[in-house]
Amino acid sequence: EAQVTQNPRYLITVTGKKLTVTCSQNMNHEYMSWYRQDPGLGLRQIYYSMNVEVTDKGDVPEGYKVSRKEKRNFPLILESPSPNQTSLYFCASSLGLAKNIQYFGAGTRLSVL
Amino acid sequence: GENVEQHPSTLSVQEGDSAVIKCTYSDSASNYFPWYKQELGKRPQLIIDIRSNVGEKKDQRIAVTLNKTAKHFSLHITETQPEDSAVYFCAASQTGRRALTFGSGTRLQVQP
Repeated sequence: EAQVTQNPRYLITVTGKKLTVTCSQNMNHEYMSWYRQDPGLGLRQIYYSMNVEVTDKGDVPEGYKVSRKEKRNFPLILESPSPNQTSLYFCASSLGLAKNIQYFGAGTRLSVL
Repeated sequence: GENVEQHPSTLSVQEGDSAVIKCTYSDSASNYFPWYKQELGKRPQLIIDIRSNVGEKKDQRIAVTLNKTAKHFSLHITETQPEDSAVYFCAASQTGRRALTFGSGTRLQVQP
């Protein structure tokens, strides 16, 4: 089954404790992306990647890191989480961008205390 | 960068009525405009999209129109049903920029 898998689905952590949210897709998609969703603000892009070893900042990259060492995986890293990073996070992938459907993962709800 | 504004933020209609959600974008170079539907507690899913070389696209009860001159595009849902209740997001992107900018979302509630 074609899918985008995020883990964990729920995470409660404390300020400053490094964490990683994993994202994996099995569709051989080149394009992968991370979004955060906050009430009234919609989906805001954090980082995206056009292919292995090619990443770029989205609209809200501060406080986040990503890596794309393999085509299927695109982890999101919070080196020192802060309460303002409490949010719902979505990973997405597509063959390209402008001409292809983005498939979203199920989401990760993160709370930083 | 691109800025996408979406209105209204909430919309309540009676079952069977039509619903219209409007978005404007700022970058005239944007050429791809998808619409996503997000049901409560679920992930966003693409419902329809339109490219800048087309003025209108229909898929059963859903249609999207694009006015490139005015830089706005709209989602039209006819004969609404309770299962249409969800949050709808518009988005815009352009070949080359490689990023997708979303609107802030519209919560549509269809009253039975």
